[in-house]
Amino acid sequence: ILNVEQSPQSLHVQEGDSTNFTCSFPSSNFYALHWYRWETAKSPEALFVMTLNGDEKKKGRISATLNTKEGYSYLYIKGSQPEDSATYLCAFYRAGGTSYGKLTFGQGTILTVHP
Amino acid sequence: DTGVSQNPRHKITKRGQNVTFRCDPISEHNRLYWYRQTLGQGPEFLTYFQNEAQLEKSRLLSDRFSAERPKGSFSTLEIQRTEQGDSAMYLCASSLPARGVSSYEQYFGPGTRLTVT
Repeated sequence: ILNVEQSPQSLHVQEGDSTNFTCSFPSSNFYALHWYRWETAKSPEALFVMTLNGDEKKKGRISATLNTKEGYSYLYIKGSQPEDSATYLCAFYRAGGTSYGKLTFGQGTILTVHP
Repeated sequence: DTGVSQNPRHKITKRGQNVTFRCDPISEHNRLYWYRQTLGQGPEFLTYFQNEAQLEKSRLLSDRFSAERPKGSFSTLEIQRTEQGDSAMYLCASSLPARGVSSYEQYFGPGTRLTVT
């Protein structure tokens, strides 16, 4: 059984605050780590696909880092805006066997940004 | 809109009824996944198609569940004799053929929310 854990489960911040979330995953058989943003009534939207230890990726005010040796990834949001309110999901893609690219998700972090 | 589409978006059904959901993936994507998300959990893998072949099924997929992708394009997920525990969001995702980093990315539809009363 693969355990992908995210923390915190929920977070309330004020507009303008910077925030970060954690995703921990198995450090063995690593292939890729995905971050998704899921707004209510919309499709989950891919933010990053990270594959290399030490990877850092950035999209606007959102960035992510990856440590495959210790099995964690951080997602950072700088200067949060109300439109950043969403559930942030990380998903682990395991190498080898017959995984066929299926993703194992964490339970998500629900971010609410208050104006 | 050329993204992944799912129909219906919402379905309310009585226990014991059968329901069927449809997923239309992005046209050039040959890989298609079904996931289920229950309250407070992340999405969980149900099944995977490569073209029309169903290559993997989760143990979560009981005998009451069946999925098809008859021509390697759209897919259907049917639940027979629904139970209250089937209430969940059913998500479909598709991705490109497996080559290179770009193929790792899965594109999701908006989901079908099933409520069994």
